[in-house]
Amino acid sequence: AQSVSQHNHHVILSEAASLELGCNYSYGGTVNLFWYVQYPGQHLQLLLKYFSGDPLVKGIKGFEAEFIKSKFSFNLRKPSVQWSDTAEYFCAVLSNFGNEKLTFGTGTRLTIIP
Amino acid sequence: EPEVTQTPSHQVTQMGQEVILRCVPISNHLYFYWYRQILGQKVEFLVSFYNNEISEKSEIFDDQFSVERPDGSNFTLKIRSTKLEDSAMYFCASMQYANTGELFFGEGSRLTVL
Repeated sequence: AQSVSQHNHHVILSEAASLELGCNYSYGGTVNLFWYVQYPGQHLQLLLKYFSGDPLVKGIKGFEAEFIKSKFSFNLRKPSVQWSDTAEYFCAVLSNFGNEKLTFGTGTRLTIIP
Repeated sequence: EPEVTQTPSHQVTQMGQEVILRCVPISNHLYFYWYRQILGQKVEFLVSFYNNEISEKSEIFDDQFSVERPDGSNFTLKIRSTKLEDSAMYFCASMQYANTGELFFGEGSRLTVL
């Protein structure tokens, strides 16, 4: 069965700091990878996704993620965070194309200090 | 922008009572899902629904749970006899086509079982 690990449970950064949130998955086959964001009091929104092609994908609000197949990783990055990036970030994997079921990681709470 | 809507936003119920959570997916979407998030834990898959039937369900989705799409627009989750451990945020999601992998989530229904 597929699984997703996010080792950072809570990250606290100052504005303008660089961000990297870790995500590792376990599944030997072809995967599609996603980062979702949940701003306080709001619903889950897609930040970016990787299906194929260039392993470095860019998403909304200056976020990017790099798929490294050999490391089973899909880390999320942003060069300079803003206070408005305070949110919960979820990595997710889609590996069974027949059922289209997303498996989520435990999430990383990001707090940006002004 | 079309969105997934969920009602109620918050429901408090007594243990053993039946609860129905309602969702209106995006109108031209074909795949429907329920996920839940217990406070402080990860987002967990409950069930997926396609072509008017359940396509996959998790171990959590036992006989106390059922889903329906009674009128072609609403997608409901029923819990027949709620338990304390059913207290969670329940998210509905929909997806347009199988090959997009992009789920659109509602804002969630918070269920509190006393």
